Amino acid sequence: EIVLTQSPDTLSLSPGERATLSCRASQSVSSSYLAWYQQKPGQAPRLLIYSASSRATGIPDRFSGSGSGTDFTLTISRLEPEDFAVYYCQQYGSSPLTFGGGTKVEIK
Amino acid sequence: QLQLQESGPGLVKPSETLSLTCTVSGDSISSSNYYWGWIRQPPGKGLEWIGSIYYSGSSYYNPSLKSRVSISVDTSKNQFSLKLSSVTATDTAVYYCARQAAGVDNWGQGTLVTVTS
Repeated sequence: EIVLTQSPDTLSLSPGERATLSCRASQSVSSSYLAWYQQKPGQAPRLLIYSASSRATGIPDRFSGSGSGTDFTLTISRLEPEDFAVYYCQQYGSSPLTFGGGTKVEIK
Repeated sequence: QLQLQESGPGLVKPSETLSLTCTVSGDSISSSNYYWGWIRQPPGKGLEWIGSIYYSGSSYYNPSLKSRVSISVDTSKNQFSLKLSSVTATDTAVYYCARQAAGVDNWGQGTLVTVTS
């Protein structure tokens, strides 16, 4: 099983700032099958990024993903008020599909 | 527009079987190259993949739950279902049904299932 470790647990930033979230895998993620999700309280997660760097439909270009192998990054170039939420990474290259523990982006 | 809707009891007694159904609208389960799956989230915690199924019936499960899980599909009703046996309080969670493409690109709204006597 591939274990995904996200860091930091919490990121305290102000609107307009840049957010950099990390996801590290315990072994290489096949074909960069790595996705990022945003979840707000009381809502289902929303797919942001798939295949490590491809934006899902309707996702603003301030969200970008990068990385390969075991190290992946989600960057939010300029935080908007609606971006404060919990973010999860997920690998879907091998079974079982696994999620990271999440990073909470909170308003400073 | 694709929509997924979970249905089933919100309360289940310990040792009993949790049963949920996901009704898909806006797309045919059998016409597309997707897996359809279940994911859960205990209150205040992270996400856990339970298992997934293809319209043909081919399925795969999380090994941590495999002995207790069964996922089935009914293409005539455009539904897929989850059964989780011998539940305990640790199975209390919001259960989401979802479509797996490159990542999970569509989610149901989720349904809270509480295991309690």
